Amino acid sequence: LAKTTQPISMDSYEGQEVNITCSHNNIATNDYITWYQQFPSQGPRFIIQGYKTKVTNEVASLFIPADRKSSTLSLPRVSLSDTAVYYCLVGVTNTGGFKTIFGAGTRLFVKA
Amino acid sequence: DSGVTQTPKHLITATGQRVTLRCSPRSGDLSVYWYQQSLDQGLQFLIQYYNGEERAKGNILERFSAQQFPDLHSELNLSSLELGDSALYFCASTPRGTGELFFGEGSRLTVL
Repeated sequence: LAKTTQPISMDSYEGQEVNITCSHNNIATNDYITWYQQFPSQGPRFIIQGYKTKVTNEVASLFIPADRKSSTLSLPRVSLSDTAVYYCLVGVTNTGGFKTIFGAGTRLFVKA
Repeated sequence: DSGVTQTPKHLITATGQRVTLRCSPRSGDLSVYWYQQSLDQGLQFLIQYYNGEERAKGNILERFSAQQFPDLHSELNLSSLELGDSALYFCASTPRGTGELFFGEGSRLTVL
């Protein structure tokens, strides 16, 4: 499994765009990049997944450069309720043998 | 509501005891994952099952065991409990062919 590196914490203000970058230098050809959000005492929640270039959904965008050695989760116009831990995972999306290991994540604090 | 059901939500027990945590995956999901999250710690992968078979194992203690039944629900058995086993235990399931994990609300275990 590719090892991931994310900033431990980030601060932002309401209304700003937040970009969280994840490094995964050893990403394999078949690996996908997935981001999760976790609030205290709740299970993580899927945010977005991508393989290359850019993926956008109703809550976030995921930017993946051509070499795929990093990825950036972009949260537009954050609010206080976006304060959470964000995890970047890299691995193969199949049904077996994939441990789905979470790293330490990035703690995002959104201030008023 | 993720569709993953975990019981019990809260459990308080004493050291040396044994408990069983139960997880019902989303309808149609064949994979079940178990995670442990201690206070202010990251998610530790314990074990994964796919259609009744163990597929991947993390740093699961020998005192812990799990199984997935023919109806696809899963149970995590924790025995000879120690104070350090106090944690949130999450179960997650995933549809075939995707890396999107759907987490339950967790079972909070307190060992006194």
